[in-house]
Amino acid sequence: NAGVTQTPKFQVLKTGQSMTLQCAQDMNHNSMYWYRQDPGMGLRLIYYSASEGTTDKGEVPNGYNVSRLNKREFSLRLESAAPSQTSVYFCASSRGTGGGGTEAFFGQGTRLTVV
Amino acid sequence: AQSVTQLDSHVSVSEGTPVLLRCNYSSSYSPSLFWYVQHPNKGLQLLLKYTSAATLVKGINGFEAEFKKSETSFHLTKPSAHMSDAAEYFCVVSGVTDSWGKFQFGAGTQVVVTP
Repeated sequence: NAGVTQTPKFQVLKTGQSMTLQCAQDMNHNSMYWYRQDPGMGLRLIYYSASEGTTDKGEVPNGYNVSRLNKREFSLRLESAAPSQTSVYFCASSRGTGGGGTEAFFGQGTRLTVV
Repeated sequence: AQSVTQLDSHVSVSEGTPVLLRCNYSSSYSPSLFWYVQHPNKGLQLLLKYTSAATLVKGINGFEAEFKKSETSFHLTKPSAHMSDAAEYFCVVSGVTDSWGKFQFGAGTQVVVTP
């Protein structure tokens, strides 16, 4: 099973460039998430989509936009990349609400460097 | 609102000795709690989850965690560390209402295992 697939795995951008990180899951999950991971800060939620057709801001949404294209796909866009967005980005999905022990499944991550 | 505090940023243990990773949480409602492990340059793998069925939860690779509501803790333990346990570990809380579907991460505990 593929699970959660992210592309690309690595990317280097120049300040001001734009790019879209792609994420797809094949588990028929309702909820999808984008996190960023920075040293000593754990993972912080950027945006999430509780179900197809809905998106909402997380803890650190500034500088990002998202699109829930369909139930399988959830993309993250950086319109004008900044060095502060250098990070490792993880996409995740879950069956439904986080309550009731529904765990999240994670992709392998995208390592983004903005120079 | 919910939050997670991992009390140790680094833990160093000798191979064959017990491992204890401490996690305290705050949540207005009955939370779901998880431990994830991340090996270097890898994605996140679920170790175990608390679903309110039993306070002592057993996970993969010999890990277990005990949910203590009175202490708002969910500490992770393993009786005997193995070299392959060297990784970063994250305590995660999720719940309902205003934190619906969001997985809140602790800052992580880096585990070093020495021969």
